[in-house]
Amino acid sequence: GQQLNQSPQSMFIQEGEDVSMNCTSSSIFNTWLWYKQDPGEGPVLLIALYKAGELTSNGRLTAQFGITRKDSFLNISASIPSDVGIYFCAGLNYGGSQGNLIFGKGTKLSVKP
Amino acid sequence: DAGITQSPRHKVTETGTPVTLRCHQTENHRYMYWYRQDPGHGLRLIHYSYGVKDTDKGEVSDGYSVSRSKTEDFLLTLESATSSQTSVYFCAISESWTVYGYTFGSGTRLTVV
Repeated sequence: GQQLNQSPQSMFIQEGEDVSMNCTSSSIFNTWLWYKQDPGEGPVLLIALYKAGELTSNGRLTAQFGITRKDSFLNISASIPSDVGIYFCAGLNYGGSQGNLIFGKGTKLSVKP
Repeated sequence: DAGITQSPRHKVTETGTPVTLRCHQTENHRYMYWYRQDPGHGLRLIHYSYGVKDTDKGEVSDGYSVSRSKTEDFLLTLESATSSQTSVYFCAISESWTVYGYTFGSGTRLTVV
């Protein structure tokens, strides 16, 4: 089936640093979504991308829908402690079944000791 | 909160017993989903519903059944729980399956001993 390769799996951040993570797939997606999950909670939608090449910002977050429709990246600028958590990418293929939102395995952001 | 409630939040049950998890929404959204989240696997779709009494299987449906007799409630049943079903279960809702992304509940942590 379709799979999303999300990288890195984990990373440590120091306050003020910029962070980048990405998702790639061998399949084409019509929509890319980025979620953040805090401990003990469900994922929360951060950014939704609907068009190839689209670049969208939400505060310090910027995400892009790759031109090939097979990838997406998320950047966080000037990280702060509350950015810690797990970030998931998700892709949706309109040609698939109605439940066909595929998730990456997540990037875990932790504070650098 | 987007008006989605999962119950119970935590449950410990014995192998072989039936278990039902409940998802309740107050948003009147048409689509509801059950996911499980396991380390190293991210979020995987179990079953979803596209209307009252309309359900379909997801990627990991074996050992699970669902029912939706009212718009607001989506039940997930483990007919005979096994240790491999120890996981965190998330319910999600969406207004449309092609846009807006999904809104997730806070999850149910199920332990099968």
